[in-house]
Amino acid sequence: EADIYQTPRYLVIGTGKKITLECSQTMGHDKMYWYQQDPGMELHLIHYSYGVNSTEKGDLSSESTVSRIRTEHFPLTLESARPSHTSQYLCASSPPLAGGGDTQYFGPGTRLTVL
Amino acid sequence: KNQVEQSPQSLIILEGKNCTLQCNYTVSPFSNLRWYKQDTGRGPVSLTIMTFSENTKSNGRYTATLDADTKQSSLHITASQLSDSASYICVVTDRGSTLGRLYFGRGTQLTVWP
Repeated sequence: EADIYQTPRYLVIGTGKKITLECSQTMGHDKMYWYQQDPGMELHLIHYSYGVNSTEKGDLSSESTVSRIRTEHFPLTLESARPSHTSQYLCASSPPLAGGGDTQYFGPGTRLTVL
Repeated sequence: KNQVEQSPQSLIILEGKNCTLQCNYTVSPFSNLRWYKQDTGRGPVSLTIMTFSENTKSNGRYTATLDADTKQSSLHITASQLSDSASYICVVTDRGSTLGRLYFGRGTQLTVWP
């Protein structure tokens, strides 16, 4: 079982609210990722980080932002939530193996519903 | 365009039966291929990983195969159990990028009935 945690697990909020989805890992992994997944669809990378103070946008354009102030913590923030943001958000991390492609360990996900 | 296609989209089998899930990919240059299991409402968990030189890998009742020439992989589940009910996702890594970009299939939703 991977030591990567996400809170909250479920969140229902109204349009226009600011929200932060938390992700923490205790494995000391440098690389961390945020994915968005709609039901029955593939995971889409929205943000990733190589380490502290490193953040990059992924393949899928997202209005969310991330920060990486500590190795173990990679929160995702939506300044003004909209119904189109309703989705499952998965956080993952991977150890610093050379060459990339190392196994990613996923958190349990946050199911976000914006009314 | 790098893509990962999985079939079938969904599958229902009886407990104790075997099944095989398929994955075709066009990702290039290829680094490795993983099969993940994702339980409902949970994050994916890695089952197997295979590099270019490997053509089979087992993990208990799960056996994955890889044909890098035809860019096809399969996941065979033996003697299925109720707990095997989940989505099985094929993930291919591109070694052409520093990040080691992952390409995800949409998954095969497996349901095991008693």
